[in-house]
Amino acid sequence: DAKTTQPNSMESNEEEPVHLPCNHSTISGTDYIHWYRQLPSQGPEYVIHGLTSNVNNRMASLAIAEDRKSSTLILHRATLRDAAVYYCILRDIAGGTSYGKLTFGQGTILTVHP
Amino acid sequence: NAGVTQTPKFQVLKTGQSMTLQCAQDMNHEYMSWYRQDPGMGLRLIHYSVGAGITDQGEVPNGYNVSRSTTEDFPLRLLSAAPSQTSVYFCASGLQANTGELFFGEGSRLTVL
Repeated sequence: DAKTTQPNSMESNEEEPVHLPCNHSTISGTDYIHWYRQLPSQGPEYVIHGLTSNVNNRMASLAIAEDRKSSTLILHRATLRDAAVYYCILRDIAGGTSYGKLTFGQGTILTVHP
Repeated sequence: NAGVTQTPKFQVLKTGQSMTLQCAQDMNHEYMSWYRQDPGMGLRLIHYSVGAGITDQGEVPNGYNVSRSTTEDFPLRLLSAAPSQTSVYFCASGLQANTGELFFGEGSRLTVL
């Protein structure tokens, strides 16, 4: 199964943009890139996902490299509420051996300073 | 909307006791799964189900049983609890197994003494 690599931690100041990187050099053509975040003492929540093109929603933007071997989650203006663990996950839409097996890595701990 | 509901939120067991963690969703999702999260760690998949009557093992299935008799419910059973099963357990559901958004419950914190 394709794996992802993220920095253990990152820091930001409130109201500044945050760029959270994710490497996935063994990504397959049918892998979607998903991002989830987990606020303290809560279950994970969906943030955004994409395949090839950059994606935007109300929470964030997802920038995907042309070769798809890396991606970046962009929080345009960090708030204190954005302090969380951010997980980059690959989901194979074609199924195969990873069908149903959504794998979370260690994620990136984002600290936001006032 | 209830979403994904887990019960109980907190439970303390003694070694060897059995219990069931309940998970229910009201979104008519085919896919449901159980994860455990140990302190400072990411989530690890225990078992999952792609529809009623269909279950399969994840990364860490030993010591846990599941069944999926209805679309709505996916209980996780600990037959003989061990201290190593002290963890926070999360249930998740989604429309399909390999695409779309997953919705997570608030978690069940289990302590085994």
